[in-house]
Amino acid sequence: SAVISQKPSRDICQRGTSLTIQCQVDSQVTMMFWYRQQPGQSLTLIATANQGSEATYESGFVIDKFPISRPNLTFSTLTVSNMSPEDSSIYLCSPGQGGTQYFGPGTRLLVL
Amino acid sequence: GQSLEQPSEVTAVEGAIVQINCTYQTSGFYGLSWYQQHDGGAPTFLSYNALDGLEETGRFSSFLSRSDSYGYLLLQELQMKDSASYFCAVRDVVTGGGNKLTFGTGTQLKVEL
Repeated sequence: SAVISQKPSRDICQRGTSLTIQCQVDSQVTMMFWYRQQPGQSLTLIATANQGSEATYESGFVIDKFPISRPNLTFSTLTVSNMSPEDSSIYLCSPGQGGTQYFGPGTRLLVL
Repeated sequence: GQSLEQPSEVTAVEGAIVQINCTYQTSGFYGLSWYQQHDGGAPTFLSYNALDGLEETGRFSSFLSRSDSYGYLLLQELQMKDSASYFCAVRDVVTGGGNKLTFGTGTQLKVEL
């Protein structure tokens, strides 16, 4: 399985600020998926990032709030913009290929 | 719409066998995955069923019936370390070949002495 790393692992941020989360994979992957897990909840897909094209966002998520970059096949970033306490969650990246799918270690975000 | 239903909580004793069910209604289906998540951790992949039947991986087995839109995860010889949340997830394939997962509501498993 691919080795996936995320930075930062956790952060505490003030409302109104933005945080960029990095995801690095040790092999080339076509698509990168970003998920959010709010406290006590299941995982929800935010968007799908394909290199060379705009990310595709799921219902309820917009590019202005969660801009994504995918500069190459091993790296992606997700920015959480103009944060509010409701954005406090675990954010997870996942290279989505094959019959098995693995997740990064996650970024635990607390917004005060 | 997409929906996957799981029991919210299951309690069992150490050494026992427990089954966590998952029923799904999704527009696309390529397979059913199971994930384990300990408090504070990320989800870890357990098993995947693309075809009907039972897949066994050590103490864990997973079953799928596509005609019934139903699957389950079977945990045998339960250990205290198995106390965690378990999620089923339906895999769909998007344009370009990548996976898209829709997750179930999650089941909190508590293993007691």
